[in-house]
Amino acid sequence: EDQVTQSPEALRLQEGESSSLNCSYTVSGLRGLFWYRQDPGKGPEFLFTLYSAGEEKEKERLKATLTKKESFLHITAPKPEDSATYLCAVHPRGNFNKFYFGSGTKLNVKP
Amino acid sequence: NAGVTQTPKFQVLKTGQSMTLQCAQDMNHEYMSWYRQDPGMGLRLIHYSVGAGITDQGEVPNGYNVSRSTTEDFPLRLLSAAPSQTSVYFCASSPTDNQPQHFGDGTRLSIL
Repeated sequence: EDQVTQSPEALRLQEGESSSLNCSYTVSGLRGLFWYRQDPGKGPEFLFTLYSAGEEKEKERLKATLTKKESFLHITAPKPEDSATYLCAVHPRGNFNKFYFGSGTKLNVKP
Repeated sequence: NAGVTQTPKFQVLKTGQSMTLQCAQDMNHEYMSWYRQDPGMGLRLIHYSVGAGITDQGEVPNGYNVSRSTTEDFPLRLLSAAPSQTSVYFCASSPTDNQPQHFGDGTRLSIL
């Protein structure tokens, strides 16, 4: 059964304190893994797509990496405006057109 | 660009009532989908469409209907509302199925 698990559920950081969020998945082959940011009362906003193990993507203070079983979202020197819920989603092979989302990590960065 | 527009933003229904959640996109995307988001459970796919006239079921389709007569619009119908359908509903679109999805800001639905 295709499954996506994110950890931790919640993370509190001081401004400037770097950390990583985890997304582990069990799927029958991976077509793509997507990271989104969601602010309260808003829809998810796209951050990164990763398609194959070893791939890395960077944007400002965020860096996403992918292995065959998990993805990490590394946050370097976070700022309060990085506070949000971060979601990952997988698009399995063989499960045509279906996406599976994790339940998210709620990040709170304190000044 | 408006992107993905969902209406209404909030709705309260009584058990047994029916209603339609509207979703429209102006990006000429072929792939559209509906999700529900419940605390601690993440986004779950209800129905999706790969183009006008083509729809299919997602993970949690029971109690919901969809149709897609145009590329732009993808309404979600609740046939007979139940308290278990209280949730936040998101519509999303993307150019094809394996590309990033653009989400609307959701409809917050309460069933009493």
